[in-house]
Amino acid sequence: EIVLTQSPGTLSLSPGERATLSCRASQSVSSTYLAWYQQKPGQAPRLLIYGASNRATGIPDRFSGSGSGTDFTLTISRLEPEDFAVYYCQQYGSSPPLFTFGPGTKVDIK
Amino acid sequence: EVQLVETGGGLIQPGGSLRLSCAASGFTVSSNYMSWVRQAPGKGLEWVSVIYSGGSTYYADSMKGRFTISRDDSKNTLYLQMNSLRAEDTAVYYCARTRYSYGILDVWGKGTTVTVSS
Repeated sequence: EIVLTQSPGTLSLSPGERATLSCRASQSVSSTYLAWYQQKPGQAPRLLIYGASNRATGIPDRFSGSGSGTDFTLTISRLEPEDFAVYYCQQYGSSPPLFTFGPGTKVDIK
Repeated sequence: EVQLVETGGGLIQPGGSLRLSCAASGFTVSSNYMSWVRQAPGKGLEWVSVIYSGGSTYYADSMKGRFTISRDDSKNTLYLQMNSLRAEDTAVYYCARTRYSYGILDVWGKGTTVTVSS
């Protein structure tokens, strides 16, 4: 079973700064099946990035994803006040189907 | 508008049973993969189960034998039957439309809260 590790656990930044979040897999995963979600307090998660680098519908272009193999990155180019939230990476394995989430990175206001 | 609305959560004693519902609008449940995901208080996301459009079902290991995912096509509704509930099943339960082409959960409901406590 693939384990996802996210770092840092918490990222304290100011609006306008760049955020770089890391997701590392315990073994190589297909980029096709690596996604990122944003979750704000009291809300459901929202899909941000799929296929490692594709923005979901309606996601601003300040969000970008990259990576391959075991190392993936979510970058927020310039933090807006609404971007302070928890971010999860997620991997899908198809045989048998298994959706694995990382523990999350909290981006909070410095 | 594509929407999912979960209902059925509540306070239940350990060992009890509960059935969660997830009503969909704006798309057809039976034509999609559908999942349940849960989140314990202050914790991260944990996938629970998926049902394929063809009807095949799969579960996370810790839920096998206790939880059953199903759907009612006539009602466009997804269900999660939960039996032998434990304190550690306390969580917000979300249903989500699942896209198998990328293995993603692209539409989520707001969730329903299950509390297992005596």
